[in-house]
Amino acid sequence: EAGVTQFPSHSVIEKGQTVTLRCDPISGHDNLYWYRRVMGKEIKFLLHFVKESKQDESGMPNNRFLAERTGGTYSTLKVQPAELEDSGVYFCASSQAHRGDGQPQHFGDGTRLSIL
Amino acid sequence: AQSVTQLGSHVSVSEGALVLLRCNYSSSVPPYLFWYVQYPNQGLQLLLKYTTGATLVKGINGFEAEFKKSETSFHLTKPSAHMSDAAEYFCAVSASRSNYKLTFGKGTLLTVNP
Repeated sequence: EAGVTQFPSHSVIEKGQTVTLRCDPISGHDNLYWYRRVMGKEIKFLLHFVKESKQDESGMPNNRFLAERTGGTYSTLKVQPAELEDSGVYFCASSQAHRGDGQPQHFGDGTRLSIL
Repeated sequence: AQSVTQLGSHVSVSEGALVLLRCNYSSSVPPYLFWYVQYPNQGLQLLLKYTTGATLVKGINGFEAEFKKSETSFHLTKPSAHMSDAAEYFCAVSASRSNYKLTFGKGTLLTVNP
């Protein structure tokens, strides 16, 4: 089966511009997560979708970040306007419906975002 | 709330030597524990996980980890390192049965010397 796919793999934009990252989860996975790793820091949770609904968005840095998951399939993460501190690697992960048995999250290769 | 501490941001071993990567966690509820590996320019790949039951869990590529509740540890080991094991390793925790988001440690970069 196809894994989690993220697009683009790299993006370089100038401060103040807008960027949209896309994630296609594994088919049939209800849960979709976004994480971010800023250089030198740990990977941090941004938000969690269950199907099309936002289950937890406690990790979103501020209102410049907007995540959507249309029809419970792919998801987009838009940064508008981008600031220098938004640079980092953005990871998407998906997992099957939780049954209380620790369904593992499957990660994409990430999008490396550089803000100049 | 959960937190993870990985001791040693960089570990270097010789090929054939024991690999030991340390992970300590903090969790207010019974945890689920995971080890992920990231090879250069790739995403995170699950090595192994602990949810319930047997405390010694075996994963892919000959790795294993032992959950020790009394020590709040989940150290990753491999008896004999291969050159192909060179990568960055992440320990992660999530709260069982409720909040499934992962909290990661800062990662340990493993170097394997010939």
